[in-house]
Amino acid sequence: GQNIDQPTEMTATEGAIVQINCTYQTSGFNGLFWYQQHAGEAPTFLSYNVLDGLEEKGRFSSFLSRSKGYSYLLLKELQMKDSASYLCAVKDSNYQLIWGAGTKLIIKP
Amino acid sequence: GAVVSQHPSRVICKSGTSVKIECRSLDFQATTMFWYRQFPKKSLMLMATSNEGSKATYEQGVEKDKFLINHASLTLSTLTVTSAHPEDSSFYICSARPPDERGPNEQFFGPGTRLTVL
Repeated sequence: GQNIDQPTEMTATEGAIVQINCTYQTSGFNGLFWYQQHAGEAPTFLSYNVLDGLEEKGRFSSFLSRSKGYSYLLLKELQMKDSASYLCAVKDSNYQLIWGAGTKLIIKP
Repeated sequence: GAVVSQHPSRVICKSGTSVKIECRSLDFQATTMFWYRQFPKKSLMLMATSNEGSKATYEQGVEKDKFLINHASLTLSTLTVTSAHPEDSSFYICSARPPDERGPNEQFFGPGTRLTVL
C-alpha cells in the first residue's frame, strides 16, 4: 500500500529552527508537496520538490531524496504565526496526491 | 494566485436534512475539482474528483448516493450531503485545478466548510 509518515506533533521555540521529516512509500513518484494548514482553515501551498536536493524559499526550505523516499521541511527564525499543521503530500504514478496525516507544530515564546 | 471560494463557511443542520456546499473558482476555469473531508487532527481524505460535464469519480468507501457532486460549469462544483447524520459532521474542503496549470502548485484550496449535524 501507499504510505506517508510524519511526526504527529513537534514543539519548538520562537526564533529557533525546526526540521519536519516525511518518509513515503508510494507507487511511483511525480513530486512532493508541503502545505501549511492553520486550525480550521484550508491548506496553503509551501513548496514542491521533484528532483533531489534543497529548495529554499525565504525562511522555509524543503529537501528531497528520492532514493531514500525522504523529505524534510526546514523552518528558520520561527515566529508564533508558524504554529500550524504541516502536511506532506506525494503525487504517485497516477498523478494522485497521497497525503500524510500532518505534523502539528507548536511554537513557544 | 488563483482563488477558490466555498459557501457556506459554517453550517449547522438537523439530522435527516440535506446540505449543499458550493465551490467556486473565482479567477480561472477549473476542469477538475476535488472534494476532501477532514476530521479533527487528521489529514485530508479525498472523497471524489469532479470533472466538468461528466460524473464524479468517487474514492473507495465514499457513498455516491449520499455525497452528490455536480460540476455543471467550469467555475462551480457542488457537494450535497443528503440525509445528513451526526457522523457526517466534518470539515469539507474543495480544491480546483486549472486546465493548463504548469506550475507545481496544481491544486488551489477553498477555505473549507465546517458542517455540524445535530
